[in-house]
Amino acid sequence: SQKIEQNSEALNIQEGKTATLTCNYTNYSPAYLQWYRQDPGRGPVFLLLIRENEKEKRKERLKVTFDTTLKQSLFHITASQPADSATYLCAPSGGSYIPTFGRGTSLIVHP
Amino acid sequence: GAGVSQSPRYKVAKRGQDVALRCDPISGHVSLFWYQQALGQGPEFLTYFQNEAQLDKSGLPSDRFFAERPEGSVSTLKIQRTQQEDSAVYLCASSTRGNTEAFFGQGTRLTVV
Repeated sequence: SQKIEQNSEALNIQEGKTATLTCNYTNYSPAYLQWYRQDPGRGPVFLLLIRENEKEKRKERLKVTFDTTLKQSLFHITASQPADSATYLCAPSGGSYIPTFGRGTSLIVHP
Repeated sequence: GAGVSQSPRYKVAKRGQDVALRCDPISGHVSLFWYQQALGQGPEFLTYFQNEAQLDKSGLPSDRFFAERPEGSVSTLKIQRTQQEDSAVYLCASSTRGNTEAFFGQGTRLTVV
């Protein structure tokens, strides 16, 4: 069955450092991979979408990579700030185009 | 409206009671999704609509769960004879089409007592 893995342990980093979050998937080949941010008590908010033919995508301090051979996406936040503290969800989507979410990784940026 | 609106924001139901959760998507959005999110978990897919057609309901956990979108806009998720394991946040999302960014509502937190 399809499986999406994100680090279940919280990632703690110091302000100003680069945060790197990992999303691994198995048993399917998504055409797209989306990343969302979720704050407590709120719905997820879309951040970036990367297609299978794109190796890397950037938006301001965010960078996403998509390695279809490794079946992995990496999500980077450079120059991290305490306001970046949240849970980050990856959502591969395949031919059906229905985003299927991982459990998310909690990021805590310390001042 | 400006975003996806869900109501009620919170719902407490006695075990065995029927509940109805409402979702108002962004105007003009063709695709609508329902997800269930348990504490500490990611959103789990329940069902997907394209306009009024329910194209995928494979995620509905039992036949007590029913969703509709009769006019291709507002959607209702109904849960019959609620059980304690139904306690979760129910999220609705809409998008212009299935393979683009999804816009989520704030969710309905259902607690079954």
